Amino acid sequence: KQEVTQIPAALSVPEGENLVLNCSFTDSAIYNLQWFRQDPGKGLTSLLLIQSSQREQTSGRLNASLDKSSGRSTLYIAASQPGDSATYLCAAINYGQNFVFGPGTRLSVLP
Amino acid sequence: GAGVSQSPRYKVAKRGQDVALRCDPISGHVSLFWYQQALGQGPEFLTYFQNEAQLDKSGLPSDRFFAERPEGSVSTLKIQRTQQEDSAVYLCASSPVYTGEGNQPQHFGDGTRLSIL
Repeated sequence: KQEVTQIPAALSVPEGENLVLNCSFTDSAIYNLQWFRQDPGKGLTSLLLIQSSQREQTSGRLNASLDKSSGRSTLYIAASQPGDSATYLCAAINYGQNFVFGPGTRLSVLP
Repeated sequence: GAGVSQSPRYKVAKRGQDVALRCDPISGHVSLFWYQQALGQGPEFLTYFQNEAQLDKSGLPSDRFFAERPEGSVSTLKIQRTQQEDSAVYLCASSPVYTGEGNQPQHFGDGTRLSIL
């Protein structure tokens, strides 16, 4: 059974810092890996989707990498801003579109 | 609107009551998913529809949970004889593709926050 963990559980950084969020999954036979952002009381907003054949995806200040063999993905946020404050979730997508989510990293960027 | 719409946003019910949660996916989206999100946790998969067919209901926690999508668009998640442990946010997501086809991300609604007293 696929299990997804995320480290750290919470992170507080001053504005402008670069930061890395970590995601680990136990079953490397994934179809895709996806990173989401969740604001309080809201649903999930997709940030980046990495196909199993890819090693990374970039969107603006965000870069996500995927290492299937080691069961790891990282989300890199450059030049963090207070508006980046949210919970970040990763999801391992197994064949059959079954999403297994991690518990999330709660990020606070202080002005 | 263009996004996934869920109603009601908040639902309070007494233990033992039945509740029904509604999801309006993005028009034309083939796939529809229901998730349960406990406080401080990531969403957990409940069930998946491809058009009107329920292809996977392995995540439904008990036979008190029932989901349907009779015309392949709007979906309803019904919980019978609610219990306190059913309190959670229920999220719906839709995707334009069939299982295993392409790499389109899922689009999520804002969820229904269910509180069982």
